[in-house]
Amino acid sequence: GNSVTQMEGPVTLSEEAFLTINCTYTATGYPSLFWYVQYPGEGLQLLLKATKADDKGSNKGFEATYRKETTSFHLEKGSVQVSDSAVYFCALKAAGNKLTFGGGTRVLVKP
Amino acid sequence: GAGVSQSPSNKVTEKGKDVELRCDPISGHTALYWYRQSLGQGLEFLIYFQGNSAPDKSGLPSDRFSAERTGGSVSTLTIQRTQQEDSAVYLCASSLNSGEQPQHFGDGTRLSIL
Repeated sequence: GNSVTQMEGPVTLSEEAFLTINCTYTATGYPSLFWYVQYPGEGLQLLLKATKADDKGSNKGFEATYRKETTSFHLEKGSVQVSDSAVYFCALKAAGNKLTFGGGTRVLVKP
Repeated sequence: GAGVSQSPSNKVTEKGKDVELRCDPISGHTALYWYRQSLGQGLEFLIYFQGNSAPDKSGLPSDRFSAERTGGSVSTLTIQRTQQEDSAVYLCASSLNSGEQPQHFGDGTRLSIL
């Protein structure tokens, strides 16, 4: 079956540091890949997506590249802010309409 | 509001009771999804609606769980004879059509079974 594995948190870093959250997947066919973010006290929201190999999704300074050869979709941001503190979820959608999520990674950015 | 709305936000009930959870999707969205988020299980898909029909209910964990959607809008998730393992946050999301992924999820209903 389909699965998503992402690094466990929490990840604690200082403002302006570089952030990487690793995500790898297992899926049949050619899935679409997503990162969702859950800010404190808010619902999940889509951060970025990529629908085919070598696509780069980007939003709010975050980027992730769909790497088919390594079945990965790592999330990166060059300079984090306190407001980036949240839980980040990697997800895939293969055949059908359901999303398969990773376990989530909590990120805490300290001033 | 313009987002996905869920009610109640919190529900505490005794084991064995039935509960109903409600989801109001974004106006005009034809696809509606239920997920649940629990410790140890992460985010799990439950059921998906396209209009009023449910092409994929593969994630419902048992026959105690059912869901319906009326008028292509509001959806209700019903859990009968609740068990402690049903304790979780139940999340709803919607999308304009079935080809799109949800942009936003609702804030969820936190269900606690005593």
